[in-house]
Amino acid sequence: QKEVEQNSGPLSVPEGAIASLNCTYSDRGSQSFFWYRQYSGKSPELIMSIYSNGDKEDGRFTAQLNKASQYVSLLIRDSQPSDSATYLCSTLRGASKIIFGSGTRLSIRP
Amino acid sequence: SQTIHQWPATLVQPVGSPLSLECTVEGTSNPNLYWYRQAAGRGLQLLFYSVGIGQISSEVPQNLSASRPQDRQFILSSKKLLLSDSGFYLCAWEGQGLLGYTFGSGTRLTVV
Repeated sequence: QKEVEQNSGPLSVPEGAIASLNCTYSDRGSQSFFWYRQYSGKSPELIMSIYSNGDKEDGRFTAQLNKASQYVSLLIRDSQPSDSATYLCSTLRGASKIIFGSGTRLSIRP
Repeated sequence: SQTIHQWPATLVQPVGSPLSLECTVEGTSNPNLYWYRQAAGRGLQLLFYSVGIGQISSEVPQNLSASRPQDRQFILSSKKLLLSDSGFYLCAWEGQGLLGYTFGSGTRLTVV
């Protein structure tokens, strides 16, 4: 079982709609979670971090964490074509090693 | 502000040739540094990490090695490249606290 699992997609969402990206993790002791966005051919960039159960909002992005069910999600409201990218879910293993899922490819159609 | 530099951006190397990729960080001291590889269409695989000069931890046994000769310098090397070493190599440093990583711009390596 992979430590972090994501559906590879592609997930196609119409412009202006809500995109919902999901992720599950295997280590029940995981405490910290990060969402990265990666455009094709580019390096990942951090967009959200979440450490506590519940929701965390930042602009059009909302990260959700449910430790009991071991899943993390990222919601993107009012999706824009510029949101088309691969989204990587990750968790902190130990003190300082981040383990990544394989990513979900998101496509926003005009 | 902190910045991370990685070079070269692209590299085409023949099988059996050596490799040296360099990563440097500015604006911070004693950072935790990481090398990841991303194969085509795949996720990020942690290769090495370093918490200080001369301190290297290897995550996956492979044809690669890493060194940290200076506080803000992290080098990824190979004596003889294999076709399977092709991929997108990313250096990252850990932000303060639990703020996640900042990645360099990456090196796309093609072994032919």
